[in-house]
Amino acid sequence: GENVEQHPSTLSVQEGDSAVIKCTYSDSASNYFPWYKQELGKRPQLIIDIRSNVGEKKDQRIAVTLNKTAKHFSLHITETQPEDSAVYFCAASNPDSGYALNFGKGTSLLVTP
Amino acid sequence: DAGVTQSPTHLIKTRGQQVTLRCSPKSGHDTVSWYQQALGQGPQFIFQYYEEEERQRGNFPDRFSGHQFPNYSSELNVNALLLGDSALYLCASSLAGPYGTDTQYFGPGTRLTVL
Repeated sequence: GENVEQHPSTLSVQEGDSAVIKCTYSDSASNYFPWYKQELGKRPQLIIDIRSNVGEKKDQRIAVTLNKTAKHFSLHITETQPEDSAVYFCAASNPDSGYALNFGKGTSLLVTP
Repeated sequence: DAGVTQSPTHLIKTRGQQVTLRCSPKSGHDTVSWYQQALGQGPQFIFQYYEEEERQRGNFPDRFSGHQFPNYSSELNVNALLLGDSALYLCASSLAGPYGTDTQYFGPGTRLTVL
C-alpha cells in the first residue's frame, strides 16, 4: 500500500519567515496530494491540494510543489503569521483505492512573534 | 450550506462494549469516508461508503463496520471495544466526479475514550 513520509515532525520559525514541509510517497499510481491544517481540538481543514498533472499551485501565501519523478511534494508558507501555528498533514491518494487518503504523521508548526 | 457534521462529540465506553458514531455529509456530497486519528498521529483510513455500499476498506478488523443511508449519511459501528480504540474518529465527505472522490472535507470528529 501507499506509504507517506513527512518531515520535519516539528518546525519553529519567526513571524515573517518562510516554512517548508516535505513529503514523499511510495505508490507511483498516486495522483492527488492534499494538505490539511489541524488546530488543537479542531477538524483537519483542507488548505491546498494538487493533482499529478501540474507541478505547482499557489494560493496567496501558500504554495505546493510536486515532483512526480522523485515522488515528493512540498508545502511552502511565506510571510508566516502566529495564526499559522498548527499541525500540518500531507496526504496522497489514487483512484485504485477509491481516493482513500494516506496521511503523513504531521508537522507541528510554531510561529513565534 | 451545512458542512460535515458528526455526533456525538464525545463518548466514553468500557472495554467490550459497542459504539455507533454518526455522520452527515456536506450538502451535495454522496461519498463518506471514515478515519481514526490516534493522539499525535495522522488520520488512518477505515473505510469508504458510496451508493450505500462499502467501496474501499483500510487495514482495520471486522469489529469495525459501517452503513450508508439513502440520504448519504453514514454510521460507524465498533464492536468489542478495546483500550486501543480510544481515538478521534473523523468522517470526511466528498463527491464522486470526473476525478473520482478526491477532495474530502472533514467533520469535527467524535472523541471516543475506552476505559
